[in-house]
Amino acid sequence: DVKVTQSSRYLVKRTGEKVFLECVQDMDHENMFWYRQDPGLGLRLIYFSYDVKMKEKGDIPEGYSVSREKKERFSLILESASTNQTSMYLCASSSGSSYNEQFFGPGTRLTVL
Amino acid sequence: AQKVTQAQTEISVVEKEDVTLDCVYETRDTTYYLFWYKQPPSGELVFLIRRNSFDEQNEISGRYSWNFQKSTSSFNFTITASQVVDSAVYFCALSEANTGNQFYFGTGTSLTVIP
Repeated sequence: DVKVTQSSRYLVKRTGEKVFLECVQDMDHENMFWYRQDPGLGLRLIYFSYDVKMKEKGDIPEGYSVSREKKERFSLILESASTNQTSMYLCASSSGSSYNEQFFGPGTRLTVL
Repeated sequence: AQKVTQAQTEISVVEKEDVTLDCVYETRDTTYYLFWYKQPPSGELVFLIRRNSFDEQNEISGRYSWNFQKSTSSFNFTITASQVVDSAVYFCALSEANTGNQFYFGTGTSLTVIP
């Protein structure tokens, strides 16, 4: 079974802090994704990556950056956290083409005070 | 424009009732894929089904069934004889063969099954 893990289930940070959210998958998937989930807005794509060191902006990249130095790991970085980045962050991975389903991690609920 | 619309924000049903969750999509691609995911209270999205644009056959899996109609751009999900364990948020998603591996998710439908 595919396993996608995220470094924290809950995280509380202060405004202006640099925040790292880590995601690791164990099935050698090429594609990895970061979403944020907010009530009434569903899942919105922040960034995704097709390969190591590759990244593509999603629908809401502002205020975020990503890093993919190894195939299994995809990090989301909030350079200077703000209160409007309080949200649930979901990581996902998939293999190959758009045909294949994405597998999701358990999510990180980030609160920025 | 929203590529996937789930107009029902919240639905409540009494246990054993049937319930249909609606999903309407929009795409210009001829090759595309539709998905349903379940997000239980624990938070992790669970894949339920995939359909490709060339296969309009309805699918049944136990109490779950899916109705794909290209004529109305809909991919609706029916739960028969609902149970409390079906309480969750359900997401419909679209991916297009010509736009890479990006998924477009609807805003989700929160289903509550009342015992």
